[in-house]
Amino acid sequence: KQEVTQIPAALSVPEGENLVLNCSFTDSAIYNLQWFRQDPGKGLTSLLLIQSSQREQTSGRLNASLDKSSGRSTLYIAASQPGDSATYLCAVRGGGGSNYKLTFGKGTLLTVNP
Amino acid sequence: EAQVTQNPRYLITVTGKKLTVTCSQNMNHEYMSWYRQDPGLGLRQIYYSMNVEVTDKGDVPEGYKVSRKEKRNFPLILESPSPNQTSLYFCASTHRGEKLFFGSGTQLSVL
Repeated sequence: KQEVTQIPAALSVPEGENLVLNCSFTDSAIYNLQWFRQDPGKGLTSLLLIQSSQREQTSGRLNASLDKSSGRSTLYIAASQPGDSATYLCAVRGGGGSNYKLTFGKGTLLTVNP
Repeated sequence: EAQVTQNPRYLITVTGKKLTVTCSQNMNHEYMSWYRQDPGLGLRQIYYSMNVEVTDKGDVPEGYKVSRKEKRNFPLILESPSPNQTSLYFCASTHRGEKLFFGSGTQLSVL
């Protein structure tokens, strides 16, 4: 069974700081990995998608990397802003014997202080 | 506008009264799935569908049913809801290995 762990569970930083969120998974036979953002009471918005054959993806101030062999991904946020405050979720598709199952981590609650 | 639409947004019901939460997408996606989100447990997959008439269990399928008779719709059915099914439910869809699109969620309370 695929298991996904996110560290830290919560993070509070001052505005302007660069930060890294971590995601690890137990079965490296994945199809892809996605990072999502969730605002309180809202649905999830996909930020970055990394296919199993890729090493990283970038979008604006966000950069996600994938090391499939070690079962790790990181989300790097540059020059953080108060508007980045949200819960960030990592989700892995595949592993555990199925290419169609999605397994989510429990998320990192990020607070960026002005 | 590309979107996944869930209804209702909020639902309060009583134990044992059958209910259906609807999910519809307008992007012609093959893959659709249902999740529940609970404090401390995160998001867990209930069921998923790879295409019309093809469905499979996720990690927490007990007490739920689904059907996929049309490509755009993927309803979640609770035949006999119980209080432990009180949760925030999300539907999502995607095309092959692309980004997952989520609905806005359905907050269900079973009394």
